[in-house]
Amino acid sequence: GEDVEQSLFLSVREGDSSVINCTYTDSSSTYLYWYKQEPGAGLQLLTYIFSNMDMKQDQRLTVLLNKKDKHLSLRIADTQTGDSAIYFCAEREGSTLGRLYFGRGTQLTVWP
Amino acid sequence: GAGVSQSPSNKVTEKGKDVELRCDPISGHTALYWYRQSLGQGLEFLIYFQGNSAPDKSGLPSDRFSAERTGGSVSTLTIQRTQQEDSAVYLCASSSWTGQTEAFFGQGTRLTVV
Repeated sequence: GEDVEQSLFLSVREGDSSVINCTYTDSSSTYLYWYKQEPGAGLQLLTYIFSNMDMKQDQRLTVLLNKKDKHLSLRIADTQTGDSAIYFCAEREGSTLGRLYFGRGTQLTVWP
Repeated sequence: GAGVSQSPSNKVTEKGKDVELRCDPISGHTALYWYRQSLGQGLEFLIYFQGNSAPDKSGLPSDRFSAERTGGSVSTLTIQRTQQEDSAVYLCASSSWTGQTEAFFGQGTRLTVV
């Protein structure tokens, strides 16, 4: 199967930027995703990027994709305590509706 | 429905019993996925349906696990002779066939085997 790797923990102060990193192995990935999971809740799609893009910005979120290095990052500007959650990186294999491969998730803790 | 609905939300069962977990996908979504999330772990893929057929069931951990989907809608994941290592949150997601990229997740079923 495909491997998606993320660091497990990240702590930041409120108001700072957070950067969550992810690496993947499938060179045929078409879409890459960031999901957010709050305690006791399901997964919520935050944003996604198509593999022919380098960057995508959506309000406080910036996604950077380095396809050569198979590296994806999520930057959250002006991080708030409400951003505390687990963030999952995921890739979709080559077929449009193929399975999503998830990383283990990064626990983001935001300190006031 | 408005979102992916899973039932029950919580299930406690005795070791050795069979359990059925249900997923109602978003109306019209033809692709349906089951994942398992164990404590402190990522999401483990179990099975994927396209319509009523399962082109990829490679993630089912053992023959105690089975899943079906009828009418291209509701799916049931069945675990026979449950074991303590089956304790996890079972998540269901659905996608449309029209190339929509997003998989919408349900809230999950928390299964505890005692």
